[in-house]
Amino acid sequence: SQQGEEDPQALSIQEGENATMNCSYKTSINNLQWYRQNSGRGLVHLILIRSNEREKHSGRLRVTLDTSKKSSSLLITASRAADTASYFCATVTSGSARQLTFGSGTQLTVLP
Amino acid sequence: DTEVTQTPKHLVMGMTNKKSLKCEQHMGHRAMYWYKQKAKKPPELMFVYSYEKLSINESVPSRFSPECPNSSLLNLHLHALQPEDSALYLCASSHKGGTNEKLFFGSGTQLSVL
Repeated sequence: SQQGEEDPQALSIQEGENATMNCSYKTSINNLQWYRQNSGRGLVHLILIRSNEREKHSGRLRVTLDTSKKSSSLLITASRAADTASYFCATVTSGSARQLTFGSGTQLTVLP
Repeated sequence: DTEVTQTPKHLVMGMTNKKSLKCEQHMGHRAMYWYKQKAKKPPELMFVYSYEKLSINESVPSRFSPECPNSSLLNLHLHALQPEDSALYLCASSHKGGTNEKLFFGSGTQLSVL
């Protein structure tokens, strides 16, 4: 079963706009990670936020984590056509090692 | 070298065929993973190898047989597959398999079972 559910399932924006994707999960976590996947390709790790962190930045990416609400958000600022991809959150649940479980994903389309 | 290399990129096989998927990394990682991904779905974990030993098998049917000959190589042997096994098969690796590690993914093998 999926640990994370993402919202929205699909998002279409214009180049230059910001894109926000949300992830909700069910059980306690050690950390939450975000990955990007271009169509038919492998996943690329974007950012990892630990359970004791609330916010993290990496370039144009900003991730927040609210463990009380069991949710995370990924913000991509000043989006580019090259950001078009599927974005997945992934969690490692507390008490289990090496099991990264992916959320349902958000398909982002950035229109030029 | 931060790449995970998977071969072949595409594979078409019949239900009576035997084939193998291969995965290689030279980052010195000691944990390697097989994931299965159906179209428009998230990857689902199949197997985890840690220090060349199978540590997790997510109740995968025996027609999928993993093998880790050494710390750099991971194989997935396929036999008597069903059409519903058609999917993108992704290999990944991480440093030691710890819970705060990121995974490095290969580009995958797109498998079609006829």
